[in-house]
Amino acid sequence: DQQVKQNSPSLSVQEGRISILNCDYTNSMFDYFLWYKKYPAEGPTFLISISSIKDKNEDGRFTVFLNKSAKHLSLHIVPSQPGDSAVYFCAASDGGSQGNLIFGKGTKLSVKP
Amino acid sequence: DGGITQSPKYLFRKEGQNVTLSCEQNLNHDAMYWYRQDPGQGLRLIYYSQIVNDFQKGDIAEGYSVSREKKESFPLTVTSAQKNPTAFYLCASSQAGDYEQYFGPGTRLTVT
Repeated sequence: DQQVKQNSPSLSVQEGRISILNCDYTNSMFDYFLWYKKYPAEGPTFLISISSIKDKNEDGRFTVFLNKSAKHLSLHIVPSQPGDSAVYFCAASDGGSQGNLIFGKGTKLSVKP
Repeated sequence: DGGITQSPKYLFRKEGQNVTLSCEQNLNHDAMYWYRQDPGQGLRLIYYSQIVNDFQKGDIAEGYSVSREKKESFPLTVTSAQKNPTAFYLCASSQAGDYEQYFGPGTRLTVT
């Protein structure tokens, strides 16, 4: 059973607008969440993270929001740029399991000029 | 500059052959990981190692084997017992106690 779910396989957004990527989780023991960006045939690159003691973390155009009661997090990209077009993976860790991350299936973002 | 290298980028093998994928890191990270990605799927953990000469099975270890003889190297062998070996394989590393994992560029293995 999936512990980290990204229910939207794809998202299309106009350049300059906001992109919102969503992620839900089921394990209440998760205490750290990360977003990775992946281009085809390349390895994922770390984008932004958030600890469960926070509800928001911002880094330039990227902001991650965490709603623990709803077991939901979202990544906001403002403004969206064509270079943001990639697959975005949400990942979570419970701090145990020796640092292992549980990944969602990813959301493919397309930003149109 | 520091990073993770995986070689080769593309690998082709005949069914029934074992194949070893290379992963090297010069980040001085203690932990290393192997993931598999299939189309439309997330990353699934095959094996991980927190320290030299020690490793543990991940969620889908059957048909795979690893070794960790050196801190900077974590090769993955895809054996003939792996029923669906064709996939994109990703190696990652992290510093002890850190959540963030750094990924290599990946190896696409095709078995026919």
